[in-house]
Amino acid sequence: DAKTTQPPSMDCAEGRAANLPCNHSTISGNEYVYWYRQIHSQGPQYIIHGLKNNETNEMASLIITEDRKSSTLILPHATLRDTAVYYCIVPSANSKLTFGKGITLSVRP
Amino acid sequence: GAVVSQHPSRVICKSGTSVKIECRSLDFQATTMFWYRQFPKQSLMLMATSNEGSKATYEQGVEKDKFLINHASLTLSTLTVTSAHPEDSSFYICSARDVQGIMETQYFGPGTRLLVL
Repeated sequence: DAKTTQPPSMDCAEGRAANLPCNHSTISGNEYVYWYRQIHSQGPQYIIHGLKNNETNEMASLIITEDRKSSTLILPHATLRDTAVYYCIVPSANSKLTFGKGITLSVRP
Repeated sequence: GAVVSQHPSRVICKSGTSVKIECRSLDFQATTMFWYRQFPKQSLMLMATSNEGSKATYEQGVEKDKFLINHASLTLSTLTVTSAHPEDSSFYICSARDVQGIMETQYFGPGTRLLVL
């Protein structure tokens, strides 16, 4: 199973873009990268996922490097409500999700 | 995104009693659901995989006789914490796997906070 590593925390100013990095150097060719976030005392929320092409939806953009060993989640205009723990996950072959410590994003006013 | 609900959202019970938590996929069918537990300041830990129409599979260290899982329909899985003790107090979260062709996404419920006195 491909493991992911994320820095423990970062902050950004409200209204600015938040770029959250993730390393997944052991990812195999057919494994997807998923991003979830967990706001305090809530269940995780699905954000986006991708294989090798960059992806964008109403919540965020996902940029995957050409070698697929890392990716960046971009929140284009962070708000205070985006303060959460963000998890970058590569599911196992049986769809299991392993949650690491994630990266705590703090959006400051 | 798809919606998953959990009921109850919080429950307080006495030690030795059993508590049932429901997880429902509201707008899609899920042959597979997952149950997680999260202790304060820790990350989610997978407890078991719930399979519709068959037995659940449990992660190492999770007692199957204590955490009973039933997945009787394509939209409902239940977790029963039997003979609950204070150390079972935790945040229990379910997810449901939504498969669309070759793509799949897990959607999570809002969680159930269990306090055992």
